[in-house]
Amino acid sequence: AQKVTQAQTEISVVEKEDVTLDCVYETRDTTYYLFWYKQPPSGELVFLIRRNSFDEQNEISGRYSWNFQKSTSSFNFTITASQVVDSAVYFCALTFSGNTPLVFGKGTRLSVIA
Amino acid sequence: EPEVTQTPSHQVTQMGQEVILRCVPISNHLYFYWYRQILGQKVEFLVSFYNNEISEKSEIFDDQFSVERPDGSNFTLKIRSTKLEDSAMYFCASRPGREGTEAFFGQGTRLTVV
Repeated sequence: AQKVTQAQTEISVVEKEDVTLDCVYETRDTTYYLFWYKQPPSGELVFLIRRNSFDEQNEISGRYSWNFQKSTSSFNFTITASQVVDSAVYFCALTFSGNTPLVFGKGTRLSVIA
Repeated sequence: EPEVTQTPSHQVTQMGQEVILRCVPISNHLYFYWYRQILGQKVEFLVSFYNNEISEKSEIFDDQFSVERPDGSNFTLKIRSTKLEDSAMYFCASRPGREGTEAFFGQGTRLTVV
């Protein structure tokens, strides 16, 4: 079965703290793709990053970084020096070959307090 | 930048009524999806549509739901006889067709059944 687990339901941090959002996935496929989406209070789903199963390179984009480890089936997301505008629900998602639908985790609600 | 647009942004309907949610996917995309998010919960897949037919559907997508692409641009989700538990945010998404690409989501339609 394909499954995405985001064990952290809610996280609250003070502005400028670093925070890591965990994502663990389950799949039997050798080819798969992982994503992170942000859902701000306005409700839309904003794409952040995509990773395929053959590319374990970590990625950094400004204050955001992602750590993909196949050995632990994890694709964790770190925000450095968090800001109030980072407050949102963050979803990790998984899909497979052939444009199959994304399977989402339950999301982690991040609150950044000024 | 091209985007997926959904109308209306909010719809209130009486239980038992039919509703049609509308989406205009990105023009050169080939795969279309509807997802649902009950308030505060995860994003759940309903149905995918490719080459003018349903390619996959979840167990949520029962006989009260239908999808159509009537004119080559619009993509609609019809709920025939709404129930209170259909109250949710409904997201349309599209993908270009290259394997593993991210899904581009519309801003959602909030459906409230009273």
